[in-house]
Amino acid sequence: DQQVKQNSPSLSVQEGRISILNCDYTNSMFDYFLWYKKYPAEGPTFLISISSIKDKNEDGRFTVFLNKSAKHLSLHIVPSQPGDSAVYFCAANNAGNMLTFGGGTRLMVKP
Amino acid sequence: KAGVTQTPRYLIKTRGQQVTLSCSPISGHRSVSWYQQTPGQGLQFLFEYFSETQRNKGNFPGRFSGRQFSNSRSEMNVSTLELGDSALYLCASSPGTEGNTIYFGEGSWLTVV
Repeated sequence: DQQVKQNSPSLSVQEGRISILNCDYTNSMFDYFLWYKKYPAEGPTFLISISSIKDKNEDGRFTVFLNKSAKHLSLHIVPSQPGDSAVYFCAANNAGNMLTFGGGTRLMVKP
Repeated sequence: KAGVTQTPRYLIKTRGQQVTLSCSPISGHRSVSWYQQTPGQGLQFLFEYFSETQRNKGNFPGRFSGRQFSNSRSEMNVSTLELGDSALYLCASSPGTEGNTIYFGEGSWLTVV
């Protein structure tokens, strides 16, 4: 049973526009959420995180929103740049440092 | 500040052999965890070590094992390799308490032939 799901395998946006990546989870015990960017055969690069006691966290072009009642989080990238093209993973943490990952969304930003 | 370092980056092993992968966490980090990434199963948690003790364990067979040394460096070992063990193995480090960011290394790419 997948506890963290990213239902969109891919997303294509135009440079300068907003990219919105979504993530749903089922385990209400998750209390910390993270977003990572990943290129093939490389390790994930940390982007931004949010604690379950917050509903929004911003860092530059990246904003993460958390809706606990809906068990849903989203990552907004504004403005999108071609260098943002990669696979994005959301991850949830509830015990020590054991992350449960979603399946990833491939973002393509067109110039 | 140096990041998470994993060695070797690439290796090829034969079925039935065993392999040991090494990870040096970020200086000052006491938690080291390991993940496996395959095309079919995605990113899956293997185990986590904190202060030389295994703190969490994922759903993998006993062929997968690990350890952590007093300097927080960690190794993972896979015995009796199977073709399905071909994957990118990722090490991650964090200070250790919940709510801290978890940083990943570049990974060790294992191919079993």
